[in-house]
Amino acid sequence: ILNVEQSPQSLHVQEGDSTNFTCSFPSSNFYALHWYRWETAKSPEALFVMTLNGDEKKKGRISATLNTKEGYSYLYIKGSQPEDSATYLCAPRSSASKIIFGSGTRLSIRP
Amino acid sequence: EPEVTQTPSHQVTQMGQEVILRCVPISNHLYFYWYRQILGQKVEFLVSFYNNEISEKSEIFDDQFSVERPDGSNFTLKIRSTKLEDSAMYFCASREGTARLAFFGQGTRLTVV
Repeated sequence: ILNVEQSPQSLHVQEGDSTNFTCSFPSSNFYALHWYRWETAKSPEALFVMTLNGDEKKKGRISATLNTKEGYSYLYIKGSQPEDSATYLCAPRSSASKIIFGSGTRLSIRP
Repeated sequence: EPEVTQTPSHQVTQMGQEVILRCVPISNHLYFYWYRQILGQKVEFLVSFYNNEISEKSEIFDDQFSVERPDGSNFTLKIRSTKLEDSAMYFCASREGTARLAFFGQGTRLTVV
């Protein structure tokens, strides 16, 4: 899957507000989708892997949904905190092995 | 908690020299990866490795690059003759199975001078 688009590229959110962003991908040959959080000077941190249309996953205040028929996934953050500031990467897969990342959404939380 | 470890954390090498970047994946994982990120750019897939062979590779992964799993624990990336444009952060990752998340190491910053 080469045409991975994440939007917006960057996002500034007030602390306490909720936010969401999008990962779009070709719906054909879908295998799975990964979400990662990447903080500066650290390695990407695994958040979710989703495989089925309609999947919803949750980890604390972060959740994600998947629509494989229309080719998108949303990531939601409820009640943003300063520690949520990071780049959020999605990585759809069209095969069992290859994981290709999108360009990411850079999230900044204003205290 | 098990983690992927990479050594060294920073490597400086002269153009044309060979470098080997080392990774120790999580022990029960079956899929292994190398990625790189050139400063200011997106994370790029280099290669995936499964069942002791390369399963997929990108256009970046040309004849200058090779990977090995020499002893069942280490997973190495070799660049035979480094170029200035090889300067990047190189990440190793491993994954247990097809429906599992990949876990990343802390990266090796390679600087070619």
